[in-house]
This record gives sequence, structure tokens and C-alpha cells, in this order.
Amino acid sequence: EIQLQESGPGLVKPSQSLSLTCSVTGYTITSGYDWSWIRKFPGNKMEWMGYISYSGSTNYNPSLKSRISITRDTSKNQFFLQLNSVTTEDTATYYCARRDGYYVLDAWGQGASVTVSS
Amino acid sequence: DIQMTQSPASLSASLEEIVTITCQASQNIGNWLAWYQQKPGKSPQLLIYGTTSLADGVPSRFSGSRSGTQYSLKISRLQVEDIGIYYCQQASSTPLTFGSGTKLEIK
Repeated sequence: EIQLQESGPGLVKPSQSLSLTCSVTGYTITSGYDWSWIRKFPGNKMEWMGYISYSGSTNYNPSLKSRISITRDTSKNQFFLQLNSVTTEDTATYYCARRDGYYVLDAWGQGASVTVSS
Repeated sequence: DIQMTQSPASLSASLEEIVTITCQASQNIGNWLAWYQQKPGKSPQLLIYGTTSLADGVPSRFSGSRSGTQYSLKISRLQVEDIGIYYCQQASSTPLTFGSGTKLEIK
């Protein structure tokens, strides 16, 4: 059974970078599919941020394109989110998820709450 | 970006009642539509993909349908464990986009 788990700081200062790790067990991220980051803002709005594919290519939401980077460490079966120049508007719960062959998100992590505040 | 307009924003219904949530896509997405359920304190879980296909383990009281660019999620007999927030998501093109969510409560 595939499991994903997010980890990282829960508090980030404005103008700094937000960094999160998604650790995957039960499936090798180079075997197939895409590996996404999604966030849910206070008030329930959901935003897909981007993905890294099993081959290492990336696809980002244009709304974030200048600030986001998704990378991976295949030896640890992990992928990472970096979001630069954060503001209070980036306060959200961040989820990692697998995007399957139907291009839907069929497995999710438990979520990591991140607050941007000085 | 493809906009997904979801309604209603909140819904209170009685046990065993039929519940319907709808999403309107801003352009043709074919059958590239998914529904998720997020129970309180949990991460979202895939309910339906490809407009009508139930994900593994999803009870048969859930169903999905389409009429043109309007998509519907129906719960045929509402149960206590169905409370939560429901989201639609288009899978036709990136950026993937979600509806604004429907909060479902028991009356």
C-alpha cells in the first residue's frame, strides 16, 4: 500500500523560503506517474502547485512559476517542494499526492500545516 | 486555466436523504473529472474518477454523472460518515483546478 508523508517547518518568516519533503513508501517514484504538491488555504480553497514526473520532468502552476521548485532524491524515494519569497498569503496546509494514469490524485499525504508569520 | 464552479457551498441534509452536488466547467473537459471527499481532520480521498468510475472501496451510494459541461455527484442515501467537504477537480489539462468545495452536514 502506498503511503506519503509530508515533513518540514510549520512556521516560516515572510520573504524566506518554504521547504517541505514528501517521503513515499510502498511505491518507487521512478516507476511511474506524477508526484504533486497541492495546498489548501484557510477557507477551503484548493490549489494544485505542480508535479515532478517519474522521469524527473516538472510542470508548475503558472501562478507560482517564478517562485516554485519541485525536486527529488530517488535514492531516498522522496520529493521536495521549495517556494521562495513567501508572504502571509502562502499560509496553508500543504499536501503531497500521486497523480495517476487518469490524471487524478489517488493517494495523498496527511498534510503539513505551514504558517507564514514574522 | 479551466474554472470549476461548484455549488452549493454548504448543504445540510437528513440521514437517508438524496444529496446532489454540482460542478460547472468553464470549457469542455470531456470525462476528465474527479470528486474528492475530505472528512474532518483528514486528507482528501478520491471518490470518483473519469466522471463516473468509483475509486476502490467507495460505497455504491456514491455516483457521478455528466450533462455537457455540468458534472454531478450524488449520494443516494446520506449516512453519518459522509459528512465533510467535497471537491470536484478537472483532470483535462494543467494547471489542475478544483471547485471551491461543498461542506456537507447532517441536519
